[in-house]
Amino acid sequence: GQNIDQPTEMTATEGAIVQINCTYQTSGFNGLFWYQQHAGEAPTFLSYNVLDGLEEKGRFSSFLSRSKGYSYLLLKELQMKDSASYLCAVYSGGYQKVTFGIGTKLQVIP
Amino acid sequence: DAGVTQSPTHLIKTRGQQVTLRCSPKSGHDTVSWYQQALGQGPQFIFQYYEEEERQRGNFPDRFSGHQFPNYSSELNVNALLLGDSALYLCASSLGGPNTEAFFGQGTRLTVV
Repeated sequence: GQNIDQPTEMTATEGAIVQINCTYQTSGFNGLFWYQQHAGEAPTFLSYNVLDGLEEKGRFSSFLSRSKGYSYLLLKELQMKDSASYLCAVYSGGYQKVTFGIGTKLQVIP
Repeated sequence: DAGVTQSPTHLIKTRGQQVTLRCSPKSGHDTVSWYQQALGQGPQFIFQYYEEEERQRGNFPDRFSGHQFPNYSSELNVNALLLGDSALYLCASSLGGPNTEAFFGQGTRLTVV
């Protein structure tokens, strides 16, 4: 089966850096997604990691360690609009089956 | 280019009734996945359609069924609705392949009373 763990809530200050961790246990791992979801809206794609290492996209970076079953999403220069839930999702097996974690609700405060 | 569109946006049904939700994928996408997202939870995979066939299914009862049409649009049907089926139902489309980004629609908020 699949098991994905991430913190349920985090708070960080505007302008700061925050790291959201995700650990997973799965068979047939193919890759790991991070999605952002504002309240009442659909998830939007942030990143996809297949190989170990860090992928950087502007203020957002995502890291993957397949041997440790671990990933993190790093958000720099936090802005108030970054307040949202961040979903870690594992793509495993064939045909793009994606399993989501519960999501981490990030609150950015002034 | 329209993204993924879902209809209706909101729906209220009575326990025991049946409901059909619709999804039009992003232009050029041939794969549609359906998810159920309860309040405060991550999306739960229901099933995925490709070439008009269900090719992956999550842990949902047979009351949940679907269909994909030749134009790649899709429907999700839920029979014998339960109060616990109240959730946001998300449709995601992608281009068939092992590592392509999925685009989500805005979802249908289903309330069962």
